[in-house]
Amino acid sequence: NAGVMQNPRHLVRRRGQEARLRCSPMKGHSHVYWYRQLPEEGLKFMVYLQKENIIDESGMPKERFSAEFPKEGPSILRIQQVVRGDSAAYFCASSPGQENEQFFGPGTRLTVL
Amino acid sequence: DQQVKQNSPSLSVQEGRISILNCDYTNSMFDYFLWYKKYPAEGPTFLISISSIKDKNEDGRFTVFLNKSAKHLSLHIVPSQPGDSAVYFCAPRVGGGADGLTFGKGTHLIIQP
Repeated sequence: NAGVMQNPRHLVRRRGQEARLRCSPMKGHSHVYWYRQLPEEGLKFMVYLQKENIIDESGMPKERFSAEFPKEGPSILRIQQVVRGDSAAYFCASSPGQENEQFFGPGTRLTVL
Repeated sequence: DQQVKQNSPSLSVQEGRISILNCDYTNSMFDYFLWYKKYPAEGPTFLISISSIKDKNEDGRFTVFLNKSAKHLSLHIVPSQPGDSAVYFCAPRVGGGADGLTFGKGTHLIIQP
């Protein structure tokens, strides 16, 4: 059973470009979470999704950021018009449902030049 | 507003000795507490958890203690091994189910040979 997969592992964008981060949850997991880790900080919750639904986006910036988890395919975290402050490691986690443990992917390190 | 505090950014322990990592929280609604371990360039890995109805949970070399009145928990690792060198995050949550986690900033544990 493959773990949570994220790609790309590293992404470099110039200011003003768009960044798309992909997450494939573990097989059988229908709950996906996105977290962001800034340098020297802990992981900060951004958004929680189930298939085709956003359940909780309380941690996501109101502008430029969006997330989806379509019926087919991976979950996508999209950042429009990136700024230098968006440079961070973005982690995706999945869980099978009403469970307390979340399984994390290896992360995508976004660098904005 | 830091709901979860890990006040020691780093901790150095000799191999074979006990490592004690501390975590304080302010939100009295937290009732389930998880510890994650993270190696560089990898995602966090679940280590051990404890429910608020318990004050101790043990799993092999790892024991977590919870003092609800003090809003404090600690992770004990004994004996410490070189492979334990990693960043440890405390991640409490509110309620059961599938909410996003709140992470502390982490403690970098270094096991000295």
